[in-house]
Amino acid sequence: NAGVMQNPRHLVRRRGQEARLRCSPVKGHSHVYWYRQLPEEGLKFMVYLQKENIIDESGMPKERFSAEFPKEGPSILRIQQVVRGDSAAYFCASSPGSGYPTNEKLFFGSGTQLSVL
Amino acid sequence: GQQLNQSPQSMFIQEGEDVSMNCTSSSIFNTWLWYKQEPGEGPVLLIALYKAGELTSNGRLTAQFGITRKDSFLNISASIPSDVGIYFCAGQGAQKLVFGQGTRLTINP
Repeated sequence: NAGVMQNPRHLVRRRGQEARLRCSPVKGHSHVYWYRQLPEEGLKFMVYLQKENIIDESGMPKERFSAEFPKEGPSILRIQQVVRGDSAAYFCASSPGSGYPTNEKLFFGSGTQLSVL
Repeated sequence: GQQLNQSPQSMFIQEGEDVSMNCTSSSIFNTWLWYKQEPGEGPVLLIALYKAGELTSNGRLTAQFGITRKDSFLNISASIPSDVGIYFCAGQGAQKLVFGQGTRLTINP
């Protein structure tokens, strides 16, 4: 859905560098979800955030990955010390969210393709 | 964890043919969803199913929520070139959306 804006569309990093992926939800949406997609696979849930709160991070790797959704500004998915296995498409989705979960009204962005050299 | 098995993994059909794909799960879901993803884009919701046994249409697309709540199918009638893409089923239980592996649809004109 054109309303969810992700940038950059493509990000190339060398092993050990940091990757920052940004997501601006649909205007008025206060719920953000991050998913990861490996080639030829479906989307895997990573984290669910509301403004200034992490609601469910059960899909996030325990190390090197973090996410935030501040009061002002976009949601950020941060990957520290990237490794080749982090190469994937990362999708952000937002919903108006009248309660958890309301995933059926998810609007997805176009994704960020992360390539780790 | 919850897993969805989607089949077939890929389909090669002639324009005008009907398409059928399905999704099964070892777990019960409260909602079944079907998405389409085109290259370089995020998934777009096609159909949402909320009740066991529910049959819902969206133009040439028809989807059903299985009685056991562990399966769903999607049919596309009279396929056209713009139907090309990857179709994903997704189930929603008590927690987050769980996606199938996708069915890649290729159409020969």
